[in-house]
Amino acid sequence: KAGVTQTPRYLIKTRGQQVTLSCSPISGHRSVSWYQQTPGQGLQFLFEYFSETQRNKGNFPGRFSGRQFSNSRSEMNVSTLELGDSALYLCASSYRTGGDNEQFFGPGTRLTVL
Amino acid sequence: DAKTTQPPSMDCAEGRAANLPCNHSTISGNEYVYWYRQIHSQGPQYIIHGLKNNETNEMASLIITEDRKSSTLILPHATLRDTAVYYCIVRVAGTGANNLFFGTGTRLTVIP
Repeated sequence: KAGVTQTPRYLIKTRGQQVTLSCSPISGHRSVSWYQQTPGQGLQFLFEYFSETQRNKGNFPGRFSGRQFSNSRSEMNVSTLELGDSALYLCASSYRTGGDNEQFFGPGTRLTVL
Repeated sequence: DAKTTQPPSMDCAEGRAANLPCNHSTISGNEYVYWYRQIHSQGPQYIIHGLKNNETNEMASLIITEDRKSSTLILPHATLRDTAVYYCIVRVAGTGANNLFFGTGTRLTVIP
């Protein structure tokens, strides 16, 4: 079974631009969660989508948004990029939502904002 | 979800067992203990999880104390590829959400 895939793997943008990242979950998984990882803040939860609905949201500004399609693929968008948005963005998929299940992470998209 | 406390770093000789402790003294009865690891610049990898009983899979063993206030992840024969940051996470079952709070983890270095 193919793992979680994320595209692109690397991205360079400038301040003020916007960016869209994509995540394809493992086949059959309906939950996709997004995380941001920076050296200063570590791994932080952004949001989770399950069956095309946002189920939970972390403490990030409204510039960070996401959506999920009917095939469970998910995209996240960051508008008006800031230098501090430079990070590794990870998505994770799981079969269901809730506490007793494994999440499988993709390799991440490394975003650099200049 | 309850907070966890882990030592910031540990070393282990190759071939020996690596025992990674985690304190979760405020854990509730319906909270699971999860372990993930992250090898440099890769996505975190699920290792194991448990509620009350000790668990074992092909990667590791999880030992949870009787009062559930602490646990230990055991890698029985550490290899150089086990060098990673290990995260202990406590999750409430059935919350309807998949957000994981990773904390700072333990950086395990396996020494040849």
